Amino acid sequence: DGGITQSPKYLFRKEGQNVTLSCEQNLNHDAMYWYRQDPGQGLRLIYYSQIVNDFQKGDIAEGYSVSREKKESFPLTVTSAQKNPTAFYLCASSMGLLVETQYFGPGTRLLVL
Amino acid sequence: AQKITQTQPGMFVQEKEAVTLDCTYDTSDPSYGLFWYKQPSSGEMIFLIYQGSYDQQNATEGRYSLNFQKARKSANLVISASQLGDSAMYFCAMREGRLAGGFKTIFGAGTRLFVKA
Repeated sequence: DGGITQSPKYLFRKEGQNVTLSCEQNLNHDAMYWYRQDPGQGLRLIYYSQIVNDFQKGDIAEGYSVSREKKESFPLTVTSAQKNPTAFYLCASSMGLLVETQYFGPGTRLLVL
Repeated sequence: AQKITQTQPGMFVQEKEAVTLDCTYDTSDPSYGLFWYKQPSSGEMIFLIYQGSYDQQNATEGRYSLNFQKARKSANLVISASQLGDSAMYFCAMREGRLAGGFKTIFGAGTRLFVKA
């Protein structure tokens, strides 16, 4: 079955620690995205990638980093510079960047200890 | 300025009845797409329905239909014959075309739907 997987489902971060959220898709989609969702709010774009080895900052990129070494993988690292990382993180993909439907993974909930 | 506005923070509907969730949008790009997503308590965003700006007919997908009124810039979601499993958060979203960069989906704040038995 084609789809998007995210791991882990829950992640705990200690102060000053970097953590990496995994996102893998087998839909053969070119574009991938990371969103952050805070309680009771909509989604905000962190980073997006149109093709392998290329990615761009979204609206709230500070304190985050990404890589796109393979078409199917787009990991997100939450660095120690992100002072308020507690949120729900959603990865998505689409065929292209324009008016294409985005499909989402199940999400990772990040909590700070 | 808000590009996607959902004015109903919460809505109640009786099981088996129809419900309309409102969405208005703002863009100057002639090419755009409008989407509705459902987010149950598990958190996953489930794609429901898509309407392209050049589509002549309103989109329908099973019990979901999109009431697209281009001149009024509204894209309301209609759910017919509501089921208890429809209780969830619903997000309206828009992707603008090449003129506006075309890379970003803009989400509304969402409407929480409660279906009563």
